Amino acid sequence: SYVLTQPPSVSVAPGKTARITCERNNIGSYSVHWYQQKPGQAPVLVISYDSDRPSGIPERFSGSNSGNTATLTISRVEAGDEADYYCQVWDPSSDQVFGGGTKLTVL
Amino acid sequence: EVQLLESGGGLVQRGGSLRLSCAASGFTFSTYAMSWVRQAPGKGLEWVSGISGSGDSTYSADSVKGRFTISRDNSKNTMYLQMNNLRAEDTAIYYCAKDLDTPIRGVFDYWGQGTLVTVSS
Repeated sequence: SYVLTQPPSVSVAPGKTARITCERNNIGSYSVHWYQQKPGQAPVLVISYDSDRPSGIPERFSGSNSGNTATLTISRVEAGDEADYYCQVWDPSSDQVFGGGTKLTVL
Repeated sequence: EVQLLESGGGLVQRGGSLRLSCAASGFTFSTYAMSWVRQAPGKGLEWVSGISGSGDSTYSADSVKGRFTISRDNSKNTMYLQMNNLRAEDTAIYYCAKDLDTPIRGVFDYWGQGTLVTVSS
């Protein structure tokens, strides 16, 4: 099994860039997906296959994946981006499909 | 418009059983794999079980193997999760999630609003 490690929290001022990381040995060999979850709501897919943005997701959201780290980048952060963010790698043989989550706080 | 509506949650005693349902609409149900994902109160997301579009392939997390069974009825556009021998640690909101493809890819582009399962000890 493997562990997807995310920082518990990230803080950023409005208008700045937030970067949320997801670490795992050789994660660059896998496809990584990212979800946004606001309080009391279901998760929303914001990035699939490392860097693909689903329809309706702002261009401010982007992703990258290389080596041992995948990164979700949110440019020009807005108050409405405040949420929990989860990375995910599909491996049903693993004990952990989702990362532990990162709480993004907009200062 | 894609809609996923979970039902069947509730309060159950430890060792008891529940069957969750996920009614789908707005897309060709049999074309897409589906999964159940749960979230314990104040905790992160945990994938539980997945099933291919045809229903021929299923996967389950180790934490529920032997206790939970996923199935689907494509004629009714509905997915199920039969949960037996429930434990306190199964207490969570259970989400139904649609996959991007027919085989299980583990990329969930639509989610339901969830149904709460509470297991009392």
